[in-house]
Amino acid sequence: DARVTQTPRHKVTEMGQEVTMRCQPILGHNTVFWYRQTMMQGLELLAYFRNRAPLDDSGMPKDRFSAEMPDATLATLKIQPSEPRDSAVYFCASGHNRGRQGSYEQYFGPGTRLTVT
Amino acid sequence: AQSVAQPEDQVNVAEGNPLTVKCTYSVSGNPYLFWYVQYPNRGLQFLLKYITGDNLVKGSYGFEAEFNKSQTSFHLKKPSALVSDSALYFCAVRQSNDYKLSFGAGTTVTVRA
Repeated sequence: DARVTQTPRHKVTEMGQEVTMRCQPILGHNTVFWYRQTMMQGLELLAYFRNRAPLDDSGMPKDRFSAEMPDATLATLKIQPSEPRDSAVYFCASGHNRGRQGSYEQYFGPGTRLTVT
Repeated sequence: AQSVAQPEDQVNVAEGNPLTVKCTYSVSGNPYLFWYVQYPNRGLQFLLKYITGDNLVKGSYGFEAEFNKSQTSFHLKKPSALVSDSALYFCAVRQSNDYKLSFGAGTTVTVRA
């Protein structure tokens, strides 16, 4: 049963510290998304990769957030420096775009619950 | 621009009764529509999608949804709800030829025994 994995599941850190979240997409999927979920804002798209290339990171605060895919099995989301307002659940999702643009579903990981104090 | 509205924050039903979760959408061109469910402390789980063809689509766990183009709606239904269906449900829309998935705010479903 293929699934998206994320580590860590929980992270508590102090303001100003660097946070790195990792995601392993489902093998064979060519799209990866990073989302942030909060009570106030709901689900927000932070970044989108296709075939490991970053195509959209307009949802991320550029000065502190960065997203990369060093290889097809690993996506990372970094926050440096972290702030209390970054506290949220961060989800990674992957999907297989077979060419009928937009018709594929995304599969979500279990999320990383980040608390910045 | 594309958007989704879930007009009900909460839906409460008794076990065994029909369950409906409402969703309306706005999109330019043809919509691709999705339903996801989220259980506490878990990621979103795909339930079903409408791409084209039959307006009634069937998905996981006995759920189905009906696409209504004239009313721009995609309501989620289950004929007989279970207590285990209690969760947060999200409707989402993607415009064809786009990659962004726009989610609704979510509807909390509570099924009482």
